[in-house]
Amino acid sequence: NFMLTQPHSVSESPGKTVTISCTGSSGSIASNYVQWYQQRPGSAPTTVIYEDNQRPSGVPDRFSGSIDSSSNSASLTISGLKTEDEADYYCQSYDSSNHVFGTGTKVTVL
Amino acid sequence: QVQLQESGPGLVKPSQTLSLTCTVSGGSISSGDYYWSWIRQPPGKGLEWIGYIYYSGSTYYNPSLKSRVTISVDTSKNQFSLKLSSVTAADTAVYYCARSKSSGWYESWGQGTLVTVSS
Repeated sequence: NFMLTQPHSVSESPGKTVTISCTGSSGSIASNYVQWYQQRPGSAPTTVIYEDNQRPSGVPDRFSGSIDSSSNSASLTISGLKTEDEADYYCQSYDSSNHVFGTGTKVTVL
Repeated sequence: QVQLQESGPGLVKPSQTLSLTCTVSGGSISSGDYYWSWIRQPPGKGLEWIGYIYYSGSTYYNPSLKSRVTISVDTSKNQFSLKLSSVTAADTAVYYCARSKSSGWYESWGQGTLVTVSS
């Protein structure tokens, strides 16, 4: 079964940059689009990146997404970290019509 | 702007069938541009995709849940539904309905509803 693995947690100070990885267990992660969702406690997920590197309207350009085929991974980078960025982040993609969410990463702003 | 709202019992007994409905407003479920999904999240854990349905009735389910899941659509009511049979405590979760594009992007979500499996 296709899986997406993320680090359990990352932490950094305000104003700094964090990068969250999302590694595919098999196949090529570049073959299908990757999305990234932010989830705050008690709320439904919201999109910060869709289709690998696109930002929905209203999402600041501090959020960016990329794909690295050599490591079969996707990355979400948050620059100029703000306290409001503290949340759980999930990557998501699919394989043969089977949709998969990553294991999730808790971002803590120190 | 489309809105999705889950509804159904918040408490289900073990071995029974969990039934939820998602009502779509602000957009037609018959639009061929979208897929209609169910996703769940156990307390304190990550997101798990359950399955999706197309307006035509075509479905695709998570292989790990496939034997217990049925998703159906009622275009006349602009609703789609989830049935999960033979539930156990492991099925306790917040259940979300969501709309996705063909790219796999879940661009609209319901607020979620907590379903507890307990006697």
